[in-house]
Amino acid sequence: GAGVSQSPSNKVTEKGKDVELRCDPISGHTALYWYRQSLGQGLEFLIYFQGNSAPDKSGLPSDRFSAERTGGSVSTLTIQRTQQEDSAVYLCASSFDFSSTGELFFGEGSRLTVL
Amino acid sequence: GNSVTQMEGPVTLSEEAFLTINCTYTATGYPSLFWYVQYPGEGLQLLLKATKADDKGSNKGFEATYRKETTSFHLEKGSVQVSDSAVYFCALYSGGGADGLTFGKGTHLIIQP
Repeated sequence: GAGVSQSPSNKVTEKGKDVELRCDPISGHTALYWYRQSLGQGLEFLIYFQGNSAPDKSGLPSDRFSAERTGGSVSTLTIQRTQQEDSAVYLCASSFDFSSTGELFFGEGSRLTVL
Repeated sequence: GNSVTQMEGPVTLSEEAFLTINCTYTATGYPSLFWYVQYPGEGLQLLLKATKADDKGSNKGFEATYRKETTSFHLEKGSVQVSDSAVYFCALYSGGGADGLTFGKGTHLIIQP
């Protein structure tokens, strides 16, 4: 597509429920990134993929968070047993090849509210 | 490790005022420097960049110069508009994968008519 697409744009869920957030990167971009943006906290790096592999998962806040990417394209971020502190905007970004430029193209984000 | 420090916001200015948003960094080697902008309800988008010392990045009337001696990359605009109201993020990339990309916490800019 023309840009990075994320869904849902808004998600309200109850504490303890599982949620899945989806990211469709720009066609041809091999690198994909997930960030979390909390009010007043800036951007928190969660995980990135080069192709289908995630070299570093240490940014994930807890073992309730997981992410996968299949076919070198769409990625899903799953949060199990959601907690109120998980409420944030989850941003996805992609780049042609991160090793060369550091320039990211961001989606509009998925706003998660945990009641 | 790498770090980026931006001035705290919100910064409130009147239309046509001169804008400076300060950004300083700490990094090993010679990073590339970026300013990203996030308009209300949208994702971040790259505003400008500079890849080596003394380079000046510019876009949409905004400018920033890579100052190695002061480790700074301040964002400036001569005459701001209401449409410039957004959150601005300074960032650096020192290579080596996603760990090498570091964002500042963002500065919320509010332009009043």
